Amino acid sequence: QQQVKQSPQSLIVQKGGISIINCAYENTAFDYFPWYQQFPGKGPALLIAIRPDVSEKKEGRFTISFNKSAKQFSLHIMDSQPGDSATYFCAPGTYKYIFGTGTRLKVLA
Amino acid sequence: SAVISQKPSRDICQRGTSLTIQCQVDSQVTMMFWYRQQPGQSLTLIATANQGSEATYESGFVIDKFPISRPNLTFSTLTVSNMSPEDSSIYLCSVTSGGDTGELFFGEGSRLTVL
Repeated sequence: QQQVKQSPQSLIVQKGGISIINCAYENTAFDYFPWYQQFPGKGPALLIAIRPDVSEKKEGRFTISFNKSAKQFSLHIMDSQPGDSATYFCAPGTYKYIFGTGTRLKVLA
Repeated sequence: SAVISQKPSRDICQRGTSLTIQCQVDSQVTMMFWYRQQPGQSLTLIATANQGSEATYESGFVIDKFPISRPNLTFSTLTVSNMSPEDSSIYLCSVTSGGDTGELFFGEGSRLTVL
């Protein structure tokens, strides 16, 4: 399957800090760029997503930034909370979606 | 949105046997996806299942090992055939809501352990 790489693999942030996760993809035909959040024992759930016609989208504490030329997009979590501790996946695609390698985020209280 | 129910939620199976996982959606959907997630790992797409046509398998996955049925717009099954311990994983059914959004909805998955 096509490579979708995330960095970092794991991240520890203090409560109130900023968490930044990056995703790099190869396929220039992708037209949907989402981030999913997964808690243990649950399926992934959509957090935020962007289409390639905009460079940034903000929803509450979550911002997604998109760099089409670099084939990268990132997730910024502002004012990180212990409840944000989860695994995050990017999953770009068109009609089917390839999940990134995952980032395990731990927010310390 | 879509609510997905999977059965079984977990099972322990013997090597060489087969297990069928069922996926029921609360609304009609065109595309259904089957993913595999090994413990602590990412999700890997197994196949895409459209109603009325053969499933499309990703590289590394074959129909003989993972036969899929899609008899209608709300239901699908994935069979894991001739299981080995390497098949121990969580199998997840997923759908898109259609329209302009590509959002995927997931069930809680079926955790399979092969002894």
